[in-house]
Amino acid sequence: NAGVTQTPKFQVLKTGQSMTLQCAQDMNHEYMSWYRQDPGMGLRLIHYSVGAGITDQGEVPNGYNVSRSTTEDFPLRLLSAAPSQTSVYFCASSYRVGQPQHFGDGTRLSIL
Amino acid sequence: DAKTTQPTSMDCAEGRAANLPCNHSTISGNEYVYWYRQIHSQGPQYIIHGLKNNETNEMASLIITEDRKSSTLILPHATLRDTAVYYCIVRVAIQTSGSRLTFGEGTQLTVNP
Repeated sequence: NAGVTQTPKFQVLKTGQSMTLQCAQDMNHEYMSWYRQDPGMGLRLIHYSVGAGITDQGEVPNGYNVSRSTTEDFPLRLLSAAPSQTSVYFCASSYRVGQPQHFGDGTRLSIL
Repeated sequence: DAKTTQPTSMDCAEGRAANLPCNHSTISGNEYVYWYRQIHSQGPQYIIHGLKNNETNEMASLIITEDRKSSTLILPHATLRDTAVYYCIVRVAIQTSGSRLTFGEGTQLTVNP
């Protein structure tokens, strides 16, 4: 039981590049979400999903896309990277919405 | 979600109990108290949550006052690996919209050898 697995752990991009941050969980959790954490800002919700085929926007969704084709995977896509997207990204999951969340170890992303 | 107040930092000797307080005087009747922690450079980790009764699990105990305006997280035998920022969060358990966790400043707990 690996919990929530995020890849890659570190990534450097140039402005305008696109990439996908991967998130997978093996706990059969319905709810999955993406946060970003910036110094002094706490966690901010980007997108979330309450089940396969269902996604919705959080508080800072601009510049990011998500999809949920399976229960296990919830990838986050940066469409055209900008320096303002430099952050640490965390994926989290829970059995159902509102239940205690399990977090991955994060992806540290730098946009030059 | 109700606002919480925690001390900025605390120290604890290894092997001793760490008692982390949290004030949540505006808590509503249907709001739970959750505790998470974040060890440096790792993702947040869920510790425990409760409504009004004291709770205990393999990681910690949660003591909630009778008026529910404050609570204490207890790590019974702190180790160096418990050094982390501890967040007290008050929120309803089941939410219909995006289940956003609002992390405040938290308490930096340093466990000393």
